[in-house]
Amino acid sequence: QKEVEQDPGPLSVPEGAIVSLNCTYSNSAFQYFMWYRQYSRKGPELLMYTYSSGNKEDGRFTAQVDKSSKYISLFIRDSQPSDSATYLCAMSYPGGATNKLIFGTGTLLAVQP
Amino acid sequence: DAGITQSPRHKVTETGTPVTLRCHQTENHRYMYWYRQDPGHGLRLIHYSYGVKDTDKGEVSDGYSVSRSKTEDFLLTLESATSSQTSVYFCAISETGRTDTQYFGPGTRLTVL
Repeated sequence: QKEVEQDPGPLSVPEGAIVSLNCTYSNSAFQYFMWYRQYSRKGPELLMYTYSSGNKEDGRFTAQVDKSSKYISLFIRDSQPSDSATYLCAMSYPGGATNKLIFGTGTLLAVQP
Repeated sequence: DAGITQSPRHKVTETGTPVTLRCHQTENHRYMYWYRQDPGHGLRLIHYSYGVKDTDKGEVSDGYSVSRSKTEDFLLTLESATSSQTSVYFCAISETGRTDTQYFGPGTRLTVL
């Protein structure tokens, strides 16, 4: 069983829709939760970062963490064609010389104009 | 891409040959990382460095070695390339070692025939 599970999609939505992306995890030691966006043939870029359970909002994006259920979500409001990308969840816990990231496999999102 | 370059960007090589990938940063960050990205596996950490000449193994380090003789350069060597090492390789840097501060390079697409 993978430590982090993510539905690969693809997910296709019309422009303006609300998008919900999700990951589950099995390691209760994870303390930090990230969402990355990766455009085709590019490196991942950090989108959202949360530490505790609850919601964090940044513009059209909301990250949600439920530690009791070991479940995290990313919501995109008023989705745009420019949001079309692969979204990767990632998690980590402190330890060693640096925190190490464990990634989900990514969900491919297509927003249709 | 946060002052990170990777070279080469594309490479095709044959099984059994040594290959070296280079990551160069202009940010003077202490931490540098090498990941590989494969379908169905997401991004996985190969090796990382927490200072000049200070390196450690990640999740999938077998068949790879690294060196860091200068702050700005982190080299990844495939000692004897195999087809299973066909992948996209990403370098990342971090000033603090925290997971909310890792920035990724553009990637190197490596094909081993």
